[in-house]
Amino acid sequence: DTEVTQTPKHLVMGMTNKKSLKCEQHMGHRAMYWYKQKAKKPPELMFVYSYEKLSINESVPSRFSPECPNSSLLNLHLHALQPEDSALYLCASSQDPGGPDTQYFGPGTRLTVL
Amino acid sequence: AQKITQTQPGMFVQEKEAVTLDCTYDTSDPSYGLFWYKQPSSGEMIFLIYQGSYDQQNATEGRYSLNFQKARKSANLVISASQLGDSAMYFCAMRGLSSGSARQLTFGSGTQLTVLP
Repeated sequence: DTEVTQTPKHLVMGMTNKKSLKCEQHMGHRAMYWYKQKAKKPPELMFVYSYEKLSINESVPSRFSPECPNSSLLNLHLHALQPEDSALYLCASSQDPGGPDTQYFGPGTRLTVL
Repeated sequence: AQKITQTQPGMFVQEKEAVTLDCTYDTSDPSYGLFWYKQPSSGEMIFLIYQGSYDQQNATEGRYSLNFQKARKSANLVISASQLGDSAMYFCAMRGLSSGSARQLTFGSGTQLTVLP
């Protein structure tokens, strides 16, 4: 079973709203990732959690706040976003450590910021 | 530093024919892995196939095969017997596997494949 789930599928929010994206995996993976993807571009890495600790933050603005409550869950808290933050947000997970460490992606959340 | 180059922004193929999607890479890592992902218009990135740099044989997964030519630094994806459902964006990606390598995937710019009936 290589399923990663993400909720919601679509989200529309105003620039003053606070919302959260959720990601869940039950594959026993110990690394989880957030990516941002603009149309017709490759995904851009935002954050990496390894064993529930933040290991990589790719200089993401503080209006994006990740949280890993446990090894199966990953949240992305959104606050005071800008219209240019509108994108597809993808969550992924991989087995850790070593080996090919293939990343398996969820279906994504399409975010629109008005 | 790692770099992936996909030189075909768009490709067309007739249904039931085979198609090759090109991918070249550059890395200073002595050990690395190469991945192909499919992204339909729905958005989900679907893992297709993996090739390790020290694997002796080219990887195959059903209708997908990876034509790995290490000396040429190429890792082309071959899809046999194309189906209408293969229409999607395809991304080539890589990551270093040596100890101390960053776990980030480096993605290419993608190839939009359209299968014609």
